[in-house]
Amino acid sequence: ETGVTQSPTHLIKTRGQQVTLRCSSQSGHNTVSWYQQALGQGPQFIFQYYREEENGRGNFPPRFSGLQFPNYSSELNVNALELDDSALYLCASSSLDQPGQGGETQYFGPGTRLLVL
Amino acid sequence: DAKTTQPPSMDCAEGRAANLPCNHSTISGNEYVYWYRQIHSQGPQYIIHGLKNNETNEMASLIITEDRKSSTLILPHATLRDTAVYYCIVYYSSASKIIFGSGTRLSIRP
Repeated sequence: ETGVTQSPTHLIKTRGQQVTLRCSSQSGHNTVSWYQQALGQGPQFIFQYYREEENGRGNFPPRFSGLQFPNYSSELNVNALELDDSALYLCASSSLDQPGQGGETQYFGPGTRLLVL
Repeated sequence: DAKTTQPPSMDCAEGRAANLPCNHSTISGNEYVYWYRQIHSQGPQYIIHGLKNNETNEMASLIITEDRKSSTLILPHATLRDTAVYYCIVYYSSASKIIFGSGTRLSIRP
């Protein structure tokens, strides 16, 4: 158990809809990273939030957006869902002293499985 | 792009040591070697990490070669619960993201 929680555990949406996924970070952590894992592949980095600001982004289109709240929990929003967005979405929490520091240990939650029909 | 090379699959007898190799020949001085594992459809679980020296914790040992171009994760007494995909990752000290490769699927034989 990492103390990182995600909700919901499973979700079914239709193409074109919007979805919001939630993540609560481990106590004492100020940073949340989001990853997308398609079936049979390794997780792919979407973006990271440090103290409510985006602190790095992977190769994902702008319809993937996020938020981090003062309590360091986070949301991932995906607009205009496509079939290829079907995946396991993982969040990971960590503690950074400053943006761009990196190299810290990230602790993953159990994930949200999204199916787009 | 992932900067590590791992065998796609391995197996090990229960109770034996499982030795998982990883090649990271392009590693630079400020990159850490991290190991995670992922049991079917769960979130990746942190195992261990190191920079230069060998490391040991309650889960595993990490052996890094002197030139840092390769490493080995050792699970000293493998059990059926160690069946998982194991990811070896090199991680910049100044980067935000973990780049996962394809990992090694470890099967434990009873």
